[in-house]
Amino acid sequence: GQQLNQSPQSMFIQEGEDVSMNCTSSSIFNTWLWYKQDPGEGPVLLIALYKAGELTSNGRLTAQFGITRKDSFLNISASIPSDVGIYFCAGPERETSGSRLTFGEGTQLTVNP
Amino acid sequence: DTGVSQNPRHKITKRGQNVTFRCDPISEHNRLYWYRQTLGQGPEFLTYFQNEAQLEKSRLLSDRFSAERPKGSFSTLEIQRTEQGDSAMYLCASSLAYIRGGGYTEAFFGQGTRLTVV
Repeated sequence: GQQLNQSPQSMFIQEGEDVSMNCTSSSIFNTWLWYKQDPGEGPVLLIALYKAGELTSNGRLTAQFGITRKDSFLNISASIPSDVGIYFCAGPERETSGSRLTFGEGTQLTVNP
Repeated sequence: DTGVSQNPRHKITKRGQNVTFRCDPISEHNRLYWYRQTLGQGPEFLTYFQNEAQLEKSRLLSDRFSAERPKGSFSTLEIQRTEQGDSAMYLCASSLAYIRGGGYTEAFFGQGTRLTVV
């Protein structure tokens, strides 16, 4: 099946620093999703990307859909303590609406005040 | 409607016991998904329903697992004869099946049920 590889696995940064994480796939995805999961909670969608090369922002978050359709990155600018959590990339297995998702293993972000 | 609701939030059970979890999706969503998440991993797909029909099951869903959505609204996931390897967070998500113009329809996740088998 499809696999998503995220790096780094974990990051420890100081408040105010910028963060970059990425996700690569063994196969093409036509939609890329970035989720955040807080401890004891379910994942929450941050950004959805639909076109190769697309760059999309959501507040301090920016994500890009790689032109090969096999990678994506997420940047967080001026990190704050509430950015702490696990960030997952994900993609629908098929192009039909409401398709099941394949998730990466996550990047654990720790922000030191 | 405040989102996807899962009950219980936590369940501790002895090995060999049966457990059942409940998921109440967002009311207008006709698709409902179950995922399993173990520590340090991303969620893994188990099964999904469109209305009351179970349309797909992962090979992760062994014979001890059964899911139902009898009236196309809430869903239950039952695990029979639990094993220690069943310890995980069980996540439910819901979405619309289709949107005008096509494309991906966002899945909204519940808070999950954390199962510990001792």
